[in-house]
Amino acid sequence: QITLKESGPTLVKPTQTLTLTCTFSGFSLSTSGVGVAWIRQPPGKALEWLALIYWDDDKRYSPSLKSRLTITKDTSKNQVVLTMTNMDPVDTATYYCARRRSGSGWHNWFDPWGQGTLVTVSS
Amino acid sequence: DIQMTQSPSSLSASVGDRVTITCRASQSISSNLNWYQQKSGKAPNLLIYAASSLQSGVPSRFSGSGSGTDFTLTISSLQPEDFATYYCQQTYSTPITFGQGTRLEIK
Repeated sequence: QITLKESGPTLVKPTQTLTLTCTFSGFSLSTSGVGVAWIRQPPGKALEWLALIYWDDDKRYSPSLKSRLTITKDTSKNQVVLTMTNMDPVDTATYYCARRRSGSGWHNWFDPWGQGTLVTVSS
Repeated sequence: DIQMTQSPSSLSASVGDRVTITCRASQSISSNLNWYQQKSGKAPNLLIYAASSLQSGVPSRFSGSGSGTDFTLTISSLQPEDFATYYCQQTYSTPITFGQGTRLEIK
């Protein structure tokens, strides 16, 4: 069974740095084609992709947030960490991590997802 | 960035109805299109990957089609548990982008 779970603070102050950890089980992030992504969803709004780290340590970021994001992995601990600097109230959202799977050709998708963690940015 | 546009944004339907949701990409994405279902307060759940492949465990009343820029998700006979929000996602290139969602409500 594959599971992912997000952890981190539920409340951060404006200008602070947010650090979220995705702890997973049932797969290895050293397996070719595998990755872990972070996605967020402001209350009542759509999903927004943030970052993705691949099995080979390649990393991709949302261009609009790239300057504020860092994604890292610890394969031995089965963890992926996302940091986001200079938090603002507009960053209030539920943050999800998900496993990236790849299939034939260039097809890839996110499955499964963690349960998500709500982060509120407020002074 | 590749923009994903879903239509309609919301939809009212009855149990037993056939429903189609459309997703259009701003440029060709081949068949790199996935569909997710999200119920209130829950994480998204993968329904369809690679435009038309049914994820294991997903009921066969769900189907996907399309390639290039135009895609559809069809629910052949709506069940009470299908009332949720549906998102398309392109993974052809980064940044990965989602549609704005289609909220499916009970009529």
